Amino acid sequence: GENVEQHPSTLSVQEGDSAVIKCTYSDSASNYFPWYKQELGKGPQLIIDIRSNVGEKKDQRIAVTLNKTAKHFSLHITETQPEDSAVYFCAAGDQYNFNKFYFGSGTKLNVKP
Amino acid sequence: GAGVSQTPSNKVTEKGKYVELRCDPISGHTALYWYRQSLGQGPEFLIYFQGTGAADDSGLPNDRFFAVRPEGSVSTLKIQRTERGDSAVYLCASSPGQVNTEAFFGQGTRLTVV
Repeated sequence: GENVEQHPSTLSVQEGDSAVIKCTYSDSASNYFPWYKQELGKGPQLIIDIRSNVGEKKDQRIAVTLNKTAKHFSLHITETQPEDSAVYFCAAGDQYNFNKFYFGSGTKLNVKP
Repeated sequence: GAGVSQTPSNKVTEKGKYVELRCDPISGHTALYWYRQSLGQGPEFLIYFQGTGAADDSGLPNDRFFAVRPEGSVSTLKIQRTERGDSAVYLCASSPGQVNTEAFFGQGTRLTVV
């Protein structure tokens, strides 16, 4: 089955700086890659996603890049704010069912004011 | 309601007991998923329903775990003879059922087996 690895496990940045989280996946058939933000005591919330026919996608301060050849994808958050502090998960979508996800182990982002 | 609702939010049970966890998906969503999240880990897939039927139950860890969705809406995850290793947050998600559509997660049920 699919194996998703995520780094780093924790990331601390100063407010206004950029944050980058990286993931790799093993199954070349995966073609949907969402990123979720999870705040304490809440369920994961989709913040951005990318499909395999696109190399980059941007939504305001958040961008995701995908390199299918190398089987890795990254989340970029610019101009970080304290409210960006949370745990972020990458995931790879099952080729037959886009909502059956294989999640990474998570990155705890701390944005210091 | 507006989102996926899970009840209870917290459940403490004794080892060996039976528990039921409930998920109310977003109205009209035909696809429903159960995931399990252990402390410090990402969610792990358990089972997927399309309508009333379990389309994929490959993530259920053993036969103590069972889930139903009799009317294609509310789903119940059932765990028999609970073990301490079952302690985790159980997450439910729903989506409209077509490919390329967003899945919305509930807040989860934190199960603690003592």
